[in-house]
Amino acid sequence: GDSVTQMEGPVTLSEEAFLTINCTYTATGYPSLFWYVQYPGEGLQLLLKATKADDKGSNKGFEATYRKETTSFHLEKGSVQVSDSAVYFCALGASGGSYIPTFGRGTSLIVHP
Amino acid sequence: DTEVTQTPKHLVMGMTNKKSLKCEQHMGHRAMYWYKQKAKKPPELMFVYSYEKLSINESVPSRFSPECPNSSLLNLHLHALQPEDSALYLCASSQVYREGYGYTFGSGTRLTVV
Repeated sequence: GDSVTQMEGPVTLSEEAFLTINCTYTATGYPSLFWYVQYPGEGLQLLLKATKADDKGSNKGFEATYRKETTSFHLEKGSVQVSDSAVYFCALGASGGSYIPTFGRGTSLIVHP
Repeated sequence: DTEVTQTPKHLVMGMTNKKSLKCEQHMGHRAMYWYKQKAKKPPELMFVYSYEKLSINESVPSRFSPECPNSSLLNLHLHALQPEDSALYLCASSQVYREGYGYTFGSGTRLTVV
């Protein structure tokens, strides 16, 4: 079945450091890919998405490119801030006839001043 | 209005109580979802409503009873819960029930069963 593999956290960085959170997937067909962010005590917010191969999603300085050849959708940001501290979930949109998205385990990001 | 509103934000209930969680959206979305999220875990799908009809029940125990009175409102009725049901309950909506559209999530109801 479909699956999403995210790097294990927590990822701990200093402010202004470069961020990469790895995400790879296994899927039937060509699903859309998403990154969600969950700040402490809140629900999930859609951060960015890509609907087809080679698409780049971007929002709030975060970027991710849909790489079909490596089945990856890594999240990057050039300079993180303390306010970026949160849990980040990679998610696979529906594929193979199922409309239920698949979430990765989540990666906690902690940014120190 | 681009929000999904959930009430209450926090709920403590005993194992013999009956309570309800409420979710509301006014974005014209025709698919609504209930998720359960335990600490440090991804959300787990419980129910899907599409055009006010229950489309998916992910083998959820009958002590959880969903209801969709209209296209803007989704309820989750709780009865005789167990302590292991304590979790963050998230409601979400999307334009329609198909891939390619990201969900809009509410902030959740943090439920504690004592």
